[in-house]
Amino acid sequence: EPEVTQTPSHQVTQMGQEVILRCVPISNHLYFYWYRQILGQKVEFLVSFYNNEISEKSEIFDDQFSVERPDGSNFTLKIRSTKLEDSAMYFCASIPSRGNNEQFFGPGTRLTVL
Amino acid sequence: RKEVEQDPGPFNVPEGATVAFNCTYSNSASQSFFWYRQDCRKEPKLLMSVYSSGNEDGRFTAQLNRASQYISLLIRDSKLSDSATYLCVVNPYDKIIFGKGTRLHILP
Repeated sequence: EPEVTQTPSHQVTQMGQEVILRCVPISNHLYFYWYRQILGQKVEFLVSFYNNEISEKSEIFDDQFSVERPDGSNFTLKIRSTKLEDSAMYFCASIPSRGNNEQFFGPGTRLTVL
Repeated sequence: RKEVEQDPGPFNVPEGATVAFNCTYSNSASQSFFWYRQDCRKEPKLLMSVYSSGNEDGRFTAQLNRASQYISLLIRDSKLSDSATYLCVVNPYDKIIFGKGTRLHILP
C-alpha cells in the first residue's frame, strides 16, 4: 500500500540553525500539508500546498517557514532560524484531490532544538 | 469559542463497554468532518469520515449535528486495542483543524 514517507525521523539542531524536513507524498496525490504537534498538545495546521503554490497557511507559518516541491516528488518544509519553541513533531500529509478525503499522514519528524 | 473543542478525558472504560465522545466546532461553514485516532508518538490515522446522515463502520458510529455544530463518535463493545487518543477534525476550505483529542483507556 502506498504511503507518505518522511526523513529524517529525528532531527536535532542548535537554535538559530536552518533545518529542512523532507516528505515524499503518495505519488498520485495533488494536495500536500504540513502540521506540527508540540509534545502533549494538539496537531496544528501549518500550510497546504497545491499546484506548486501555498493555498492556505496558519498564523504559525510566518516568514521563518517556507515550503517547496523542488522535483515533483519531494515536499519540503524549511525553518530558516530555528527557535526552542519550534521543537515538535512535524507531520506531512497528502490527499489525492480536494473534497471529503482522508488525509494520509507520514510518520513524522521529531525536531529537537537545543 | 475554540474552533474545535473536545473533552480531553481520559475516559477509563472497561472492556466490552460502550463509550461516546462529542466534539463541537465553531465554523458553521465547515464542510467535512472526520474522526482520527492517534496512538502515542505516532501519526494520526483516519478512523472514519462523518456524513450528514450519520454512518457506521463495525463497532463505530459517527453522527453530525449541523444545527448544534457537533459531531459524535460511539464505540460499542470496546476492545483493549481501542485505547488511543481520538481526534475530531473539521475541514473548512483548505485548512484542517484538529481538536486536542480525547484520551481513551480501555481497562481489562
